[in-house]
Amino acid sequence: DIVMTQSPDSLAVSLGERATINCKSSQSVLYSSNNKNSLAWYQHKPGQPPKLLIYWASTRESGVPDRFSGSGSETDFTLTISSLQAEDVAVYYCQQYDSTPHTFGQGTKVEIK
Amino acid sequence: QVHLVQSGAEVKKPGASVKVSCKASGYTFTDYYIYWVRQAPGQGLEWMGWINPNSDVTYYAQGYQGRVTMTRDTSISTAYMELSRLRSDDTAVYYCARRITEPGTPVGYWGQGTLVTVSS
Repeated sequence: DIVMTQSPDSLAVSLGERATINCKSSQSVLYSSNNKNSLAWYQHKPGQPPKLLIYWASTRESGVPDRFSGSGSETDFTLTISSLQAEDVAVYYCQQYDSTPHTFGQGTKVEIK
Repeated sequence: QVHLVQSGAEVKKPGASVKVSCKASGYTFTDYYIYWVRQAPGQGLEWMGWINPNSDVTYYAQGYQGRVTMTRDTSISTAYMELSRLRSDDTAVYYCARRITEPGTPVGYWGQGTLVTVSS
């Protein structure tokens, strides 16, 4: 199984400041059919299902604010929230969907400083 | 629009089984796999497996093999996840989900979640 490791486990950022979450996979998640990285980012708030933010490592899902961006390739990926808003308080997960099981990172809790 | 509506909360005793349903609407049920993910209290998301509603083929994550059964009823566009020999650490919210588009894309449509509580 591919192991996904996120860092940090939690972070506190001031409103309007940048938040950066890292995700490392134990092996490449490059999808050979389109040469894209099969890496997604989800936002999860209590009492709600997870929300897809980013897929193919850097493609923003429809309706997701442009303050959310994804980058990286092969085994190292980053989710950046350029200007943290109060509604962004949540746990964020990376997931590889290249090979089954589609493993998740352990999650990063984002709070307001 | 795509909708996945799950069955309600369950309370079960250790050793019992639970069956959670996931009714799909807004698309052709047999065109997309249904995935199951769970989250135990205070824990992260855990991927359980999938069922192909068209072929009835399933894939279960290693930690669930022998205890989980995923089925479907195409006549009512509903998928099911049954977990047997329940333990207290199976207490979790269980989600069904569907890919956003074609094979190779991640899940992006989710059910509302079903809380399963295992307690004596």
